[in-house]
Amino acid sequence: GNSVTQMEGPVTLSEEAFLTINCTYTATGYPSLFWYVQYPGEGLQLLLKATKADDKGSNKGFEATYRKETTSFHLEKGSVQVSDSAVYFCAPTWDNAGNMLTFGGGTRLMVKP
Amino acid sequence: GAGVSQSPSNKVTEKGKDVELRCDPISGHTALYWYRQSLGQGLEFLIYFQGNSAPDKSGLPSDRFSAERTGGSVSTLTIQRTQQEDSAVYLCASSLDGNGGYTFGSGTRLTVV
Repeated sequence: GNSVTQMEGPVTLSEEAFLTINCTYTATGYPSLFWYVQYPGEGLQLLLKATKADDKGSNKGFEATYRKETTSFHLEKGSVQVSDSAVYFCAPTWDNAGNMLTFGGGTRLMVKP
Repeated sequence: GAGVSQSPSNKVTEKGKDVELRCDPISGHTALYWYRQSLGQGLEFLIYFQGNSAPDKSGLPSDRFSAERTGGSVSTLTIQRTQQEDSAVYLCASSLDGNGGYTFGSGTRLTVV
C-alpha cells in the first residue's frame, strides 16, 4: 500500500543553521507531494507542494524537490529562524485514493536563538 | 465561507456520553476529510467524503464512530459512548481537488473525562 516515512524528531538547531527533514514514500503510482506545517497552538497549514517529478516547491525560504528516482521529497531551508519552530508533516496524495493525504508522523523542529 | 470552520473548538465530555463534531467546509469544495491527532502523535485518517458519499471509511477506529455529510457541504462526526482514548484533536479538511492541497480547520479538541 501507499505509505510515507519521515525523519523522527525532535530536531534542534541553532538560528541560521541549515535544515533538512527527510521524507520518503512508497507508492504504486505517482503522487502529488505536500509539506504541511503546524505552528504551536495553531492548525495545519500548507507550506509547499510539487505535483510532478523534478518539480521544486518553495515557500518562506523552504524548498523541496520531487525526486521520483529516490521517491523522496526532503524539506530544506538554508537558514532557520526561531519562528520556524513547528511540527512539519510530509504528505503525499494519490489520485487512486481519492486524493487522500497520507501524513507522515511529523517532525518537530526547535530552533534556539 | 472563507475557511474551514469546525465547532465546537473545545469539548469536554464524560465517558460514555455521545458527542457530535461539526465541520463546515469551504464553499464549493467537494472533498472533505476527517483526521485525528492525538497528543504527541501524527495525523490519523478517519474518513473521506466525495460529495455526500464516503468511499473510504477504513480509518474509523470502531463502530462507535460514524460520520455523515449532507447537501455536499456540512459534515458531522459522531462518537458514541465516548472512551478516554477518544481524547484528541479532530481535524477536518476540504479540497477542491487533491492537487491543490487541503485547507484545514482549526480542529475540535475533545477531552473525555
